Amino acid sequence: GIQVEQSPPDLILQEGANSTLRCNFSDSVNNLQWFHQNPWGQLINLFYIPSGTKQNGRLSATTVATERYSLLYISSSQTTDSGVYFCAVDPPLSGYSTLTFGKGTMLLVSP
Amino acid sequence: GAVVSQHPSWVICKSGTSVKIECRSLDFQATTMFWYRQFPKQSLMLMATSNEGSKATYEQGVEKDKFLINHASLTLSTLTVTSAHPEDSSFYICSAPRVGGLSTQSYNEQFFGPGTRLTVL
Repeated sequence: GIQVEQSPPDLILQEGANSTLRCNFSDSVNNLQWFHQNPWGQLINLFYIPSGTKQNGRLSATTVATERYSLLYISSSQTTDSGVYFCAVDPPLSGYSTLTFGKGTMLLVSP
Repeated sequence: GAVVSQHPSWVICKSGTSVKIECRSLDFQATTMFWYRQFPKQSLMLMATSNEGSKATYEQGVEKDKFLINHASLTLSTLTVTSAHPEDSSFYICSAPRVGGLSTQSYNEQFFGPGTRLTVL
């Protein structure tokens, strides 16, 4: 099946710093989503971005489908940004549009 | 965004009992829903695909008699962990895709419930 690799696995930032999280995938995809899992376990949708660039406040994402990677940018980080960030993809032949998750990036933003 | 709810949010039960978890799409219909399992400090692993009006599709290694799935309506799927044992303790999360658009440019974004933390004593 498709492989999804996220980097870095862990990241510690000072409040106010910027960061870039990367997601590489091994095959073409129909769908790519970025999620933030908060300390209570809730997965929050950040971006639905199979290709192109999107921005939402301090967050933005870019997916280059032809090169099989996606980037999530966090600017002026805040302590509330802490948590795990997951990239998940839906390969074309997955049938019911199932998502395959990467292992995540654990982000800790300190005050 | 779309809203998916789960109930209960947490449950503690004795070994050997069965536990039912409900997943509802509150503001959209979902002919398909998905059940995931997440162990501490790990990623989400797909367990099964729940299909309204037909049998669920289970991933390799997931016991269908252990994890019973019923998709009773276009907004409700249930997961029953039968004869639960301590090794079944985990965080269970459901999701539902909201689909739309044209055949040439469709979207298929998945929304997740808040999860159910199951502890089996």
